Amino acid sequence: DVKVTQSSRYLVKRTGEKVFLECVQDMDHENMFWYRQDPGLGLRLIYFSYDVKMKEKGDIPEGYSVSREKKERFSLILESASTNQTSMYLCASSLTGSTDTQYFGPGTRLTVL
Amino acid sequence: GQNIDQPTEMTATEGAIVQINCTYQTSGFNGLFWYQQHAGEAPTFLSYNVLDGLEEKGRFSSFLSRSKGYSYLLLKELQMKDSASYLCAVPENQGGKLIFGQGTELSVKP
Repeated sequence: DVKVTQSSRYLVKRTGEKVFLECVQDMDHENMFWYRQDPGLGLRLIYFSYDVKMKEKGDIPEGYSVSREKKERFSLILESASTNQTSMYLCASSLTGSTDTQYFGPGTRLTVL
Repeated sequence: GQNIDQPTEMTATEGAIVQINCTYQTSGFNGLFWYQQHAGEAPTFLSYNVLDGLEEKGRFSSFLSRSKGYSYLLLKELQMKDSASYLCAVPENQGGKLIFGQGTELSVKP
C-alpha cells in the first residue's frame, strides 16, 4: 500500500513565524503535490514537483515555497505565516503522469493566530 | 481552460441509491477520477474512467460519456458511513496536475 505521511496533524503558529510542513511518501513516486483545502473553495494546488529539485507553481503559490531535496520528501514552507494561511494542508504523490492516481496524506490542520 | 461542475450538496436515505453528477470541459481528455473524502480526513481514490460506459466496484459504480463531457458516481444500498464529500477530477492536458471539482457533500439520513 502507498503510504503518504505528514509531519503533524494539527499545528498552531503565530503570525510572522516561519512554518515547515513535511511530507514523506514510501512508494518511489516521481510526483508530489501540496494542496490547501478551505470550505467552499475545494482543493487548490499550491506547488508540485515532478522530480528531485524540480518544482512548479500551482494555482496559489503566493506566500509559499517548497523544497524537494530527496525523492521521498516534499516540504512546504510558509516564510512568514499570516492568518489567511489558516487552512487544511494536504500532500499527495503519484507515480509519474497526470493519469496516475494521486495518494493523499492525512492532512495538517494549520491555525495561524 | 478546464472546468468541472458538481452539485454542492445532496441528501439521501439509508438503503437508497444516489447518483452524483459531474460535468467537465477540457481541451483534451485523459480520463476522470472520483475520490471520497470524509470530514477531517484525506481524499481516497474511488475510481478512474477513461473509456465510455459503466464500471462497477461493489456498491459503487462510475459512468463516463466522453461525447457529453459527463460522469456520474452511483452509490447503491447507501450506508451512514457513505456520508462524505465526493470529488470529481480530471488530469490537466500537460503536466502531472489534477483539476478538482468543488466536491459534492453527501448526507445519508436514517
